[in-house]
This record gives sequence, C-alpha cells and structure tokens, in this order.
Amino acid sequence: GQNIDQPTEMTATEGAIVQINCTYQTSGFNGLFWYQQHAGEAPTFLSYNVLDGLEEKGRFSSFLSRSKGYSYLLLKELQMKDSASYLCAVYSGNTGKLIFGQGTTLQVKP
Amino acid sequence: DAGITQSPRHKVTETGTPVTLRCHQTENHRYMYWYRQDPGHGLRLIHYSYGVKDTDKGEVSDGYSVSRSKTEDFLLTLESATSSQTSVYFCAISPGQNSDEQFFGPGTRLTVL
Repeated sequence: GQNIDQPTEMTATEGAIVQINCTYQTSGFNGLFWYQQHAGEAPTFLSYNVLDGLEEKGRFSSFLSRSKGYSYLLLKELQMKDSASYLCAVYSGNTGKLIFGQGTTLQVKP
Repeated sequence: DAGITQSPRHKVTETGTPVTLRCHQTENHRYMYWYRQDPGHGLRLIHYSYGVKDTDKGEVSDGYSVSRSKTEDFLLTLESATSSQTSVYFCAISPGQNSDEQFFGPGTRLTVL
C-alpha cells in the first residue's frame, strides 16, 4: 500500500530550529517533495530530493534516506511567517502520481 | 508564478445539482491534476490528465468526471453534488511526471448544502 506519515502539529519559537519528519511506504519511488501551504492559500514548492543526502536552500534544508523511507525538513532561524502547513509528497514510480501526507501544521510563537 | 487560475473561487450549491469547476493554464504544461483537500486527509488526487482527451482516475474519483478538450483547460464535474463533496479543490499542473514539481492553482472552496 501507499502510506506517508507526518506529525499533525508542531510548535516552535521564533529564531529556533525545527525538524519536521516524514516517513513513507510506497510502491516505487521517484522523488520526494516538500511543499509549504499557508492557511487559505495554495501549496508552494519548497524542495525536491531524489538522491540520499541533504539539500540546502537558504534557511530550509531537506534530507532523504531512501533505504529508511525517511525524510525531514529543517527550518532554521524561524520567523513568524513560517507558521504554515508543510506537506510531504512522494512520486510513486508505479503510478506516476504524487502522493501527499496529511501535512504538519507548524505554529511559530514569539 | 505559474499561470494557473481556477473558477469559480467559491461556490455554494445544493445536494443533487451538477457543478463544474474550471482550471485554466497559460504554461502549455502537459499534465493537469485535480485534488481535493479535507482536514485529516491532506491532498487527495481525484483525476489527472496527461494530454488532450487523455485522462485517468486518482484515488478518490467516484462521483467526479473530467474533460480536457484543450491543453489549457481541465474541467472537473460533479454530476450530482453530495454533502461529502464539500471541500477545497485544487488544480495543479506540471510539464512532466516524476521529477517535475507540480504548480498549484489558488483553489476553489465548494460547499454542498
């Protein structure tokens, strides 16, 4: 079956670092995406991982371990505007479709 | 930003009525997708298209049909709306599959009374 798990909610403090985990079990794997979605808005692309390792992009980094079916999104120097939902999504090689986790709602507090 | 629009942005309708949502793109991307987003379920694929007149079902396709007569337009139809179809509907586009990111439209909030 296809399954993607993320924590439902997380809370962190402005200026801190937070790690959002994602584990997946899919039929085939062609890459993992992280999207950010502010309340009432459309998801927007953050990162893409297809090979093992860490991809860094400014304050945001994403890590992938294909053997463990595991990824995380690391947000540094948190800002209030980072309060949003973060969606983990996997391209299942067998279907060519993007499968989304339920998303993690991050609340950044002063 | 990818040129992708959805119409209408908000709609309230009654159970049993037909509803059509439109997705329009100006990027000439081959792939177009319809998702619904509900609390506790995340984004779920309804139908997608891989070219003009080429469509396929997603994981929650029951009660929905789609059509794509032009590259730029992808229509989602609820033949007879039910309250369980109250949701936020997102259209997405991508130039290809697998390694290509999907760009999302602004969403349509549909309420079925």
